[in-house]
This record gives sequence, structure tokens and C-alpha cells, in this order.
Amino acid sequence: AQSVTQPDIHITVSEGASLELRCNYSYGATPYLFWYVQSPGQGLQLLLKYFSGDTLVQGIKGFEAEFKRSQSSFNLRKPSVHWSDAAEYFCAVGAPGKLIFGQGTELSVKP
Amino acid sequence: DTEVTQTPKHLVMGMTNKKSLKCEQHMGHRAMYWYKQKAKKPPELMFVYSYEKLSINESVPSRFSPECPNSSLLNLHLHALQPEDSALYLCASSQGTVGLDEKLFFGSGTQLSVL
Repeated sequence: AQSVTQPDIHITVSEGASLELRCNYSYGATPYLFWYVQSPGQGLQLLLKYFSGDTLVQGIKGFEAEFKRSQSSFNLRKPSVHWSDAAEYFCAVGAPGKLIFGQGTELSVKP
Repeated sequence: DTEVTQTPKHLVMGMTNKKSLKCEQHMGHRAMYWYKQKAKKPPELMFVYSYEKLSINESVPSRFSPECPNSSLLNLHLHALQPEDSALYLCASSQGTVGLDEKLFFGSGTQLSVL
């Protein structure tokens, strides 16, 4: 079965600290992977996507993610978190009409 | 213009009311979507329109009725809703649905409360 798991429901980091949000997937074919961010009461914004090629993907707002096929993972990273990064983050796999979302990770940022 | 615009932003309705949610995009996208999102949960796909034709209906109750009048507009007609239908309703669009390198553009959503 196709699925996405985000093991961390809530993460708190200090401003300026590094961040890693975990995402594990189960997908029968070559996965098409996405990270979206959602601020309260807003829609989702695409941070980055992976289809093929270089396994380290650069996105907007200073985020990057690394695809590791052997670990079925697509973890999101940022070297230095800003207070404005506080939001809900969703990992997703699949095509637009058949996106499977993880349950989300809520990020809080301490001053 | 890279926006998906949804109106209204907030809607409160009774269980006997009829209301409509509207979504508009001017990016030339040919696929449009309705998602339902409960608090602290991921979005759940409801409907997909591809080239103005309904291509996916995820077994949504008939009290939700989608309509795609043209390639830029998507409506969701609501009738006889239940309190459990209260949620954030998100519209999204993409260039198409076939290509796997598509990305979704989301609107800001309509926060619906059913009393």
C-alpha cells in the first residue's frame, strides 16, 4: 500500500538552530515526492519536489531535502530556522490527482 | 498571476442552507481540485476536474456538488450539510494531471462552519 509517515507530530526548535523534519514513504514505483508548508488558516505552498536526478533537492525559503531510496526517506532540512518558519509541514508522494499526504509535522520556533 | 483565489474566506451556514464556494485561477491550468481539511489533519481529496470534466470523485456525499463552468472557475455547491462537514475547503490547480512533474497551486481556503 502507498503511504507516507511523518513520525514527529510536533517539533520545537530555537531560532537560528538547524531543523530536520522526517518523512518515510511506501510507494510501489519510483516515488514523486513533495514537501508543502501551511501557515495557520492558509493554503499549502510547495517548498520543493523530487522526481529524479540529484538526490539533494533545493527549495524555496532556504529549505532542502534529501532522497534516500535505501531508507525510503525524504527528510526536509534547514540550516538556520527563522521565527517565520513556524507552520505545519506536509510530506506527500504521488501525482497531482493522487497525492498521498503525511499527517503533518507542526513546527514551533522559540525566540 | 500565480494565484488561486477562493471566496468567501469564511462561511457560516445552517444545516438547511444552500451556499456555494468559488475558486478562480488565471494560470491557464487545466486541472482543478477540491480538498477538505480538518484541523491538524492533512488535506483530503474530494474532486478533480480535468479539462472541465469531472475525472475523480472520491466518494463524496451528494450534499457536495462540484461545478466547473469554464477552465478558470471551479465551484462547490453546498446543501443540507452536517456539522461534521465544518472544515477548511481548499481549491488547487495544476497544469494537468497526467504529467508526474506537476505541482499543485493551492488557494488560501474557505473556513466553513456548519451550525
